[in-house]
Amino acid sequence: SSELTQDPAVSVALGQTVRITCQGDSLRSYYASWYQQKPGQAPVLVIYGKNNRPSGIPDRFSGSSSGNTASLTITGAQAEDEADYYCNSRDSSGNHLRVFGGGTKLTVL
Amino acid sequence: EVQLVESGGGLVQPGGSLRLSCAASGFTFSSYWMSWVRQAPGKGLEWVANIKQDGSEKYYVDSVKGRFTISRDNAKNSLYLQMNSLRAEDTAVYYCARDEIQEIDAFDIWGQGTMVTVSS
Repeated sequence: SSELTQDPAVSVALGQTVRITCQGDSLRSYYASWYQQKPGQAPVLVIYGKNNRPSGIPDRFSGSSSGNTASLTITGAQAEDEADYYCNSRDSSGNHLRVFGGGTKLTVL
Repeated sequence: EVQLVESGGGLVQPGGSLRLSCAASGFTFSSYWMSWVRQAPGKGLEWVANIKQDGSEKYYVDSVKGRFTISRDNAKNSLYLQMNSLRAEDTAVYYCARDEIQEIDAFDIWGQGTMVTVSS
């Protein structure tokens, strides 16, 4: 089965730009999707595909991918962006199994 | 309003069974793959299982194979997770999610979750 690796924690100064990364072999074949989760709440999809945002997600969130690494970038981080962020992709076996990264806790200073 | 509402969680002894349900509304349930995702206390998200629109394909994470069964009833707009031989490590909040695997390859709708505690 596949694995996706994320840094456990990242911090950013208010208004600055931060990049959260996700590494894994499956990302060479499939796009990652990204989820934001705040304490006590269900996850929310923020980025999917090459670089797509669901309705209602601010345009300061963007995604990119290169080789085995997917990235979520927040340009001009706000206090309300402080949360856990998870990447997800299909398993590299090519079927419909899914795998999540371990998550990154984002602190906005 | 597009919505997923889970139910059926609770306290169960090790080795016991529990059946979770997820009621869908606001969209054509029968047109979508569906998934269960869990989160142990203080831990990250773990994908558990998913099921194709007509129930003909089902996939599971290795740790639950042979113990959990995902199913659906499209007439009732409902998703289920039958959990048998439960272990302490199955303790988690269980979320159902719409698995938009064909168009956007992402979980675009989530329920609020239901807590399962496995303890004696």
